[in-house]
Amino acid sequence: AQTVTQSQPEMSVQEAETVTLSCTYDTSENNYYLFWYKQPPSRQMILVIRQEAYKQQNATENRFSVNFQKAAKSFSLKISDSQLGDTAMYFCAFHSKAAGNKLTFGGGTRVLVKP
Amino acid sequence: TAGITQAPTSQILAAGRSMTLRCTQDMRHNAMYWYRQDLGLGLRLIHYSNTAGTTGKGEVPDGYSVSRANTDDFPLTLASAVPSQTSVYFCASSPLGTESDTQYFGPGTRLTVL
Repeated sequence: AQTVTQSQPEMSVQEAETVTLSCTYDTSENNYYLFWYKQPPSRQMILVIRQEAYKQQNATENRFSVNFQKAAKSFSLKISDSQLGDTAMYFCAFHSKAAGNKLTFGGGTRVLVKP
Repeated sequence: TAGITQAPTSQILAAGRSMTLRCTQDMRHNAMYWYRQDLGLGLRLIHYSNTAGTTGKGEVPDGYSVSRANTDDFPLTLASAVPSQTSVYFCASSPLGTESDTQYFGPGTRLTVL
């Protein structure tokens, strides 16, 4: 069974600084997809970024980028130039054909951006 | 475009009562999902539907049932609620239901069972 681990329950960062969230996963699959979702206090789950395992190039979306290390089964999220609106829970998630239709989520990391 | 709507936003329910959580999407997505979110556990899949007329069990299906009579609606029913079903429930949808799909989430329903 696939598992996703986020080892940092909470992190704080000063506005305009950079913060990196860690995520590791366990799978025997070779082809899969990884996601980071953001959940602000509004409770809405918002897709931040996705990465296809067959792509070596790390995904980037504006101030959000990932460091995907397939051999190490690591998928960290970097938030650059942090803004107050980035304050939220961040969830790493894994999806593969073998996992069926289930997105497997990590336990989440709470990010607090301080002014 | 509304995307995915869920109703109610929140509900307090007495143990033993039944309840249906509603979910509607207007994106014509084939696949729909129900997750529950509990503190420290992320989201866990309850049931899913790859296409209208079909449903499947997820990771934590016990105590819940679903139906998919049409593309747009995917209600989740608790036949006899128990306190352990206190949670936030998210409905999601994806275009094809494949592993490469991105799933899009509704705003959630907070359910408290007393």
